[in-house]
Amino acid sequence: DAGVIQSPRHEVTEMGQEVTLRCKPISGHDYLFWYRQTMMRGLELLIYFNNNVPIDDSGMPEDRFSAKMPNASFSTLKIQPSEPRDSAVYFCASSLDPSGVGTDTQYFGPGTRLTVL
Amino acid sequence: DAKTTQPPSMDCAEGRAANLPCNHSTISGNEYVYWYRQIHSQGPQYIIHGLKNNETNEMASLIITEDRKSSTLILPHATLRDTAVYYCIVRVARTSGSRLTFGEGTQLTVNP
Repeated sequence: DAGVIQSPRHEVTEMGQEVTLRCKPISGHDYLFWYRQTMMRGLELLIYFNNNVPIDDSGMPEDRFSAKMPNASFSTLKIQPSEPRDSAVYFCASSLDPSGVGTDTQYFGPGTRLTVL
Repeated sequence: DAKTTQPPSMDCAEGRAANLPCNHSTISGNEYVYWYRQIHSQGPQYIIHGLKNNETNEMASLIITEDRKSSTLILPHATLRDTAVYYCIVRVARTSGSRLTFGEGTQLTVNP
């Protein structure tokens, strides 16, 4: 398996522009997570999905952020409008929890480094 | 989920064992101990997890004290590629999926 795939790997945009980050989870995984990493706040969970349904979006910073998972093999994280403080590395991760007890291992993608000027 | 405490940094000589401690004194009976690491500019990577018993896999060993208030991740023969930030995470297993809450971790530097 190719692992979790994220695109683009780097994105530079100007304040006010719309940014869309993409993620393809590992085939067969039923959980998908979006994380953000900054020097100030470290790694923080933004939102996660189970079977394409958003379960917990309490980490989404504000209404400018939205995430969708239209099918089991694709998810997007959109920022509109983008601001300089959104500059960070955004990671997508996926997992499979066949036991249903939450001891799943999360597999992370390489991340998208976003710079908002 | 229980809070964890790790030293901010550690050094280890190449070829020697690296022992990374983690304190989780408020851990509950249904909380697992997980270890992830993040090599510079890469996404976090799962290493190992355990509940009560010691665990070993191809990457590392996890030693959990009998009272479960602390644990140690052991890399038996550290290499330069093991230089990374190591995160100890304690979390409850949940049927509706679960979150990983990353702290600041330990920066392990393996020296030649």
